[in-house]
Amino acid sequence: GAGVSQSPSNKVTEKGKDVELRCDPISGHTALYWYRQRLGQGLEFLIYFQGNSAPDKSGLPSDRFSAERTGESVSTLTIQRTQQEDSAVYLCASSLAWGYEQYFGPGTRLTVT
Amino acid sequence: QQQVKQSPQSLIVQKGGISIINCAYENTAFDYFPWYQQFPGKGPALLIAIRPDVSEKKEGRFTISFNKSAKQFSLHIMDSQPGDSATYFCAAFLTGNTGKLIFGQGTTLQVKP
Repeated sequence: GAGVSQSPSNKVTEKGKDVELRCDPISGHTALYWYRQRLGQGLEFLIYFQGNSAPDKSGLPSDRFSAERTGESVSTLTIQRTQQEDSAVYLCASSLAWGYEQYFGPGTRLTVT
Repeated sequence: QQQVKQSPQSLIVQKGGISIINCAYENTAFDYFPWYQQFPGKGPALLIAIRPDVSEKKEGRFTISFNKSAKQFSLHIMDSQPGDSATYFCAAFLTGNTGKLIFGQGTTLQVKP
C-alpha cells in the first residue's frame, strides 16, 4: 500500500517568508508526527497528533512554528518568517495508534536563503 | 535524561564482517527501542525493534541485544553487505501520553566490498 507522502520534496525560500509543508499519512493511521533533521544530526521531535488534536507540541522550536491536521488525515506544518536556522529536512511519520511503529515519509528539504 | 547516546559516529566494515552499533539511555520510562535505517535522500525506515522484557531479538541478519540493567542496547549486522551502507539511528519511545521517539545521533556505516 501507499506509504507516507510529503510535499514538496524540496523548498527554497527567502528569509522572512512563510512556508507550508504537507504530509499525507498512511491511510487509517490515527497518529501523526513531525520531526526535524538537521544536516548530519539525529531526528528532533516537533509535534504529535492523535486524530486531529495535538497532545504534545513540546518540540516546536518557537511560536513561528505551527501545525494542524484535518479529517484525521493530511497535516500541514507552517513556518512563519523563516530564518536560516530553519534549514533542515522536515520528516513526517504516522502510526496505526500512538507510539511504537512509526513509518516515515521521504521528507521535505527546506533551504532558507 | 531524555537523551539517547549512540556510538560510534561512523563505522567502516569489510564485506562479510559484523557491524556493531551501541546505544545507551538514562530514562527508565522508555519502553520500546527501535532501530531505523536511512539512505541518503530518504526517510528513516524501521528496521527492527525490541521491548525491555526481551534480551535479544533477531530478524535475518539483524540482531538487537538489550541489557536492561546497564540501560544499553546494540544493533548487530551479521555478514554485512555493501547494500547495508547507510545511516543507522537507535531510538527510544517515551511512554505516557506523548508519542515521541527520542533518537540517537546516528551512525554512518560503510561496508567495503
